[in-house]
Formats: sequence, C-alpha cells, structure tokens
Amino acid sequence: DGGITQSPKYLFRKEGQNVTLSCEQNLNHDAMYWYRQDPGQGLRLIYYSQIVNDFQKGDIAEGYSVSREKKESFPLTVTSAQKNPTAFYLCASSPGPNPQYTQYFGPGTRLTVL
Amino acid sequence: DAKTTQPTSMDCAEGRAANLPCNHSTISGNEYVYWYRQIHSQGPQYIIHGLKNNETNEMASLIITEDRKSSTLILPHATLRDTAVYYCIVRGRGAQKLVFGQGTRLTINP
Repeated sequence: DGGITQSPKYLFRKEGQNVTLSCEQNLNHDAMYWYRQDPGQGLRLIYYSQIVNDFQKGDIAEGYSVSREKKESFPLTVTSAQKNPTAFYLCASSPGPNPQYTQYFGPGTRLTVL
Repeated sequence: DAKTTQPTSMDCAEGRAANLPCNHSTISGNEYVYWYRQIHSQGPQYIIHGLKNNETNEMASLIITEDRKSSTLILPHATLRDTAVYYCIVRGRGAQKLVFGQGTRLTINP
C-alpha cells in the first residue's frame, strides 16, 4: 500500500501451470517479503529478501520460487509443485530487516487454480 | 516472538473512541509491539508501533503498560470505515516475519 503495487488483483490458472505474481515498490526499501493468507487464517511467510540478489526461504517455501534482480521488484512464481496454490498472496516491503522497521503491504493478488 | 492474546470481536459506536486491548505477557525487552488492520480482501494496513513509550500518530494512539505485558490501541473517533480485523503483533530482533494471530474483529455501528 502506498508505493507497493501487486498485479494482477485476481488471477485464474489451470492446475499444473506455473504462474508469476508481480510485486513492485518505489519506496527504495531494501527488504521485501511474500506472504500467503488462507481464508480465516493468519499470514504465512513464503520467501523474503533483505537485499538485491539475495533471498531466503520462509516457513512455506515449497512449491514457490522468487528472484530479486532489482531492488524494486520481487516476483513470486507459484509452480505446479505447490499442492494447494489457491490463496490470497501479499507482498510487503520494509526499509530494512530489523524489527524497528515497519513492513508495508501491497493490495494483494487473489490466485484461484481451477 | 511473544504470543499475543486479543478479544475475538468488539463493537463500538460511530464517533466514540475504540479501545482495543492486547496481552503479550511473555514479551522481552527488545521486542516491538505492532498494530495492523485488515479490511476484507485488502492487504494489511500498518497503524502504529512502539517499544516502551506510548505513541501517537494521525491514525491512532498506542498505550503500552509500564511492565510491557499489555497494550491498548485507541482509535479516538471511530468511523464506519474503521470496521476491520485488528492485529496486535510482537516482533523481536532477527524475526523476519510478522506473525498474525486471529486478531479482533472490530465493528463500528452507526
């Protein structure tokens, strides 16, 4: 929100297809994050990146991949190996990884696999 | 990160102050208290955060008890647009992720 864009807002894909979700920020933030939210549940961390060309697995990285070639971009690919990909995906960014730095969220992408 | 406990739901009349409590009795000295809210089908919105002192911004005030075991988020003049799920999160050094619990579903009534 406020400088973090995610596209598209809604995405439909057939089972077995890979799909890439876009996340862009113009806040000059070093750290970026991908979370997944399922209905009625909290957010779970998929991947995070503290700096360009570096990223780390979160709690539920299996079936997902990311890249961080540019500071402002952190795309997430949902692969066919992800067993239950239908979910609400949220990207966030932060000036740095330390807890005194606030994470700001994008508007989210709702992915539905048919 | 310390676990937080919040009431499942609360109601507040429009125009009144909404006071949302959060217990974090196991918080440690270097852990921050963050508040976010989420309106249905939108990304979480940052509200405010603090370490030890009370904080205020254009959205809300955060009151942290002296022993830091609990806090209260205050929305001074609630409007219908403040209806959302409010999350209290404790985050410490080295913690990359934000741990969202069930939160408090706040309903502002006209």
